[in-house]
Amino acid sequence: GQQLNQSPQSMFIQEGEDVSMNCTSSSIFNTWLWYKQDPGEGPVLLIALYKAGELTSNGRLTAQFGITRKDSFLNISASIPSDVGIYFCAGRANTNAGKSTFGDGTTLTVKP
Amino acid sequence: DGGITQSPKYLFRKEGQNVTLSCEQNLNHDAMYWYRQDPGQGLRLIYYSQIVNDFQKGDIAEGYSVSREKKESFPLTVTSAQKNPTAFYLCAGGQQGTGELFFGEGSRLTVL
Repeated sequence: GQQLNQSPQSMFIQEGEDVSMNCTSSSIFNTWLWYKQDPGEGPVLLIALYKAGELTSNGRLTAQFGITRKDSFLNISASIPSDVGIYFCAGRANTNAGKSTFGDGTTLTVKP
Repeated sequence: DGGITQSPKYLFRKEGQNVTLSCEQNLNHDAMYWYRQDPGQGLRLIYYSQIVNDFQKGDIAEGYSVSREKKESFPLTVTSAQKNPTAFYLCAGGQQGTGELFFGEGSRLTVL
């Protein structure tokens, strides 16, 4: 099946720093999605991308849909302690009849 | 309150027992999904349903069963055939066109 490589696996940063994480795929996706999961909770959708090259922001978060349609990145600017959690990318191909493939997640720790 | 409601949040069972996890939604989503999450890993798709009375196997369906008798409900049964059932189970709903998923809070199953 399709696989997503998400990196880095974990990040330890100081409050106020910017963060960047990305996902790459061996196959093309038509939709890229980024989710955040707090401990013991379900993931929450942060940003959805539908067009190659699209750049979308949600507050301090910015995500881009790669031109090749095989990658996406998420940036967080000026991190704060509540940014702590696991960030997942997910890709969806129209041929998958609604199924999304998830990356393994990036665990973010923010030191005050 | 609305959204995706999973119950129970925590469940302990003895090996060899079947267990059913509940998932209810009031978002009028056509599609519903069950994912399994293990520590340090991404979400793996167990089963999904795009319409009432129909469902498809995901990537790790062995040892699990589902039903979709009502649009609002998509229960998951973890059978005794599942070799390693201890995990965090996440239910999600979504509309077909967007690929955006809305998750419940999860059910943590521990098999003793």
